[in-house]
Amino acid sequence: GIQVEQSPPDLILQEGANSTLRCNFSDSVNNLQWFHQNPWGQLINLFYIPSGTKQNGRLSATTVATERYSLLYISSSQTTDSGVYFCAVGYNQGGKLIFGQGTELSVKP
Amino acid sequence: GAGVSQSPSNKVTEKGKDVELRCDPISGHTALYWYRQSLGQGLEFLIYFQGNSAPDKSGLPSDRFSAERTGGSVSTLTIQRTQQEDSAVYLCASSSTGHPTDTQYFGPGTRLTVL
Repeated sequence: GIQVEQSPPDLILQEGANSTLRCNFSDSVNNLQWFHQNPWGQLINLFYIPSGTKQNGRLSATTVATERYSLLYISSSQTTDSGVYFCAVGYNQGGKLIFGQGTELSVKP
Repeated sequence: GAGVSQSPSNKVTEKGKDVELRCDPISGHTALYWYRQSLGQGLEFLIYFQGNSAPDKSGLPSDRFSAERTGGSVSTLTIQRTQQEDSAVYLCASSSTGHPTDTQYFGPGTRLTVL
């Protein structure tokens, strides 16, 4: 089956710093979503981005489908950005999402 | 409702007991998914319902796990004869049509602890 790898596994930032999270996937996908899991465990949708570039405030994401990777950019990080960021992909076998192992981000004041 | 809701939020049970977990999808969404998040396995797909089609049960880890969706809305995930390795957070998601390109929206999860 399709493999999803995220890097780095852990990241510690000082408030105000920028960061880039990466998601590599092993096959063509027709769905790619980025989620933020907050400290209470809720998965919050950030982007639906199977291809192209999107921006939402301090966050932006780019997926290069032909090269099978996606990047999530966080600028001017805040302590509330802390948590685990997941990339999840869907492909032709129905609607299920395959998740990466996540990047745990800690933003220090 | 405004989002996906799940109940209970926490469940503690004894090994060998049966448990039922409930999911209410976003109103009007025809597709519903169950996932499990555990320390050793990360986030993994369990089962998927889409409209009146037969569910995709390919992710269920054993025959102790089953799920049903009544009236195309509410879903119940049942775990029989619970084992300690079933301890995890069980997450439900829904999407508008169930097409593979749909955005999935997740509920807050049910944290299951099997003693």
